[in-house]
Amino acid sequence: GNSVTQMEGPVTLSEEAFLTINCTYTATGYPSLFWYVQYPGEGLQLLLKATKADDKGSNKGFEATYRKETTSFHLEKGSVQVSDSAVYFCALTSGGSGNTGKLIFGQGTTLQVKP
Amino acid sequence: KAGVTQTPRYLIKTRGQQVTLSCSPISGHRSVSWYQQTPGQGLQFLFEYFSETQRNKGNFPGRFSGRQFSNSRSEMNVSTLELGDSALYLCASSSDRGRGTEAFFGQGTRLTVV
Repeated sequence: GNSVTQMEGPVTLSEEAFLTINCTYTATGYPSLFWYVQYPGEGLQLLLKATKADDKGSNKGFEATYRKETTSFHLEKGSVQVSDSAVYFCALTSGGSGNTGKLIFGQGTTLQVKP
Repeated sequence: KAGVTQTPRYLIKTRGQQVTLSCSPISGHRSVSWYQQTPGQGLQFLFEYFSETQRNKGNFPGRFSGRQFSNSRSEMNVSTLELGDSALYLCASSSDRGRGTEAFFGQGTRLTVV
């Protein structure tokens, strides 16, 4: 079945450090890939997405590239801020109609950024 | 534009009872999905409703059920509650416009079973 694997957290960084959170997936067909972020006490928000191989999703300084050859969708940011502290989830929906409402999530990676 | 609204925000129930959670999607969204979030299992897909029909289902026992009304509002019911059902239950709605459609999440209902 489809699955998503994320690097274990927590990840602790100093402000302005470079961030990478690894994500790999297993899926049949051509999934769409997402990064969602969850701030304390809140629901999830879409951070960025990519729907086909070699697409790059970007938002708020975060980027991730859909790599079909390595089945990966790693999240990167060049300079993190304290306000980026949150839990980050990599997720996919499998290809085909009727599956857009079924997100498969990774375990989540907690990011803590210290001043 | 109002977001996804889940009620109640917090709930405490006794083992063996049943519970109903409610979700009001963003206006115009016909797809509503439910997820269970726990520290041990992470985020797990429960089921999705689209135009009042269950379209996808996760691997949860039959004690977990749901429905969707004609106005797209959805309810989730858990019968015969177990301690392990304690979790944050998240609802998400989407416009279902094909690949890469964004899901919008509510703040969740925190269920505690004692």
